[in-house]
Amino acid sequence: GQNIDQPTEMTATEGAIVQINCTYQTSGFNGLFWYQQHAGEAPTFLSYNVLDGLEEKGRFSSFLSRSKGYSYLLLKELQMKDSASYLCAVRDSNYQLIWGAGTKLIIKP
Amino acid sequence: TAGITQAPTSQILAAGRSMTLRCTQDMRHNAMYWYRQDLGLGLRLIHYSNTAGTTGKGEVPDGYSVSRANTDDFPLTLASAVPSQTSVYFCASSASGTSGYNEQFFGPGTRLTVL
Repeated sequence: GQNIDQPTEMTATEGAIVQINCTYQTSGFNGLFWYQQHAGEAPTFLSYNVLDGLEEKGRFSSFLSRSKGYSYLLLKELQMKDSASYLCAVRDSNYQLIWGAGTKLIIKP
Repeated sequence: TAGITQAPTSQILAAGRSMTLRCTQDMRHNAMYWYRQDLGLGLRLIHYSNTAGTTGKGEVPDGYSVSRANTDDFPLTLASAVPSQTSVYFCASSASGTSGYNEQFFGPGTRLTVL
């Protein structure tokens, strides 16, 4: 079967750095996505990795290791508005997205 | 630009009744998707369409049907609602469903309660 694992919940302090991990087992791999979802809202795109390595976008970076079936999302200089759920999704061999259950990130002042 | 709109925003439906959730996009995207999101579970694909005139089944298609008569609209129909269909439904679209990097854009969601 296909499986995406991420921690259910994480807590971090404003101004700090947090790393959210995602491991996956899917039938095929055509890229990995990270989305942000604020409570009661729709998911919005954060990042995309298809090759191994680090992709940086401002305060957010995403890393991929295809051989390990592993990715992480790194958030720097945390702000209160970063409190949200972060969803990891893998595009499988049929080009469909398989989604993790999401990691709820709580930011404390 | 509106992006993707969904209607209604929320609905309470009696079990056994039928209902159509509407989804419209103005980005001229080829691919559209319907997901449901339940607490503790990831988004699950119900049905998808890679281009107007074609549709496909996702992970949880039972009890749902879709049509794609044109590029912009992708309605989702529940023929006879059951309480297990209580969920938040998201419509999404992407430029292509079959090639390359294609970010999915999401509508605001429809919160459906079946009693």
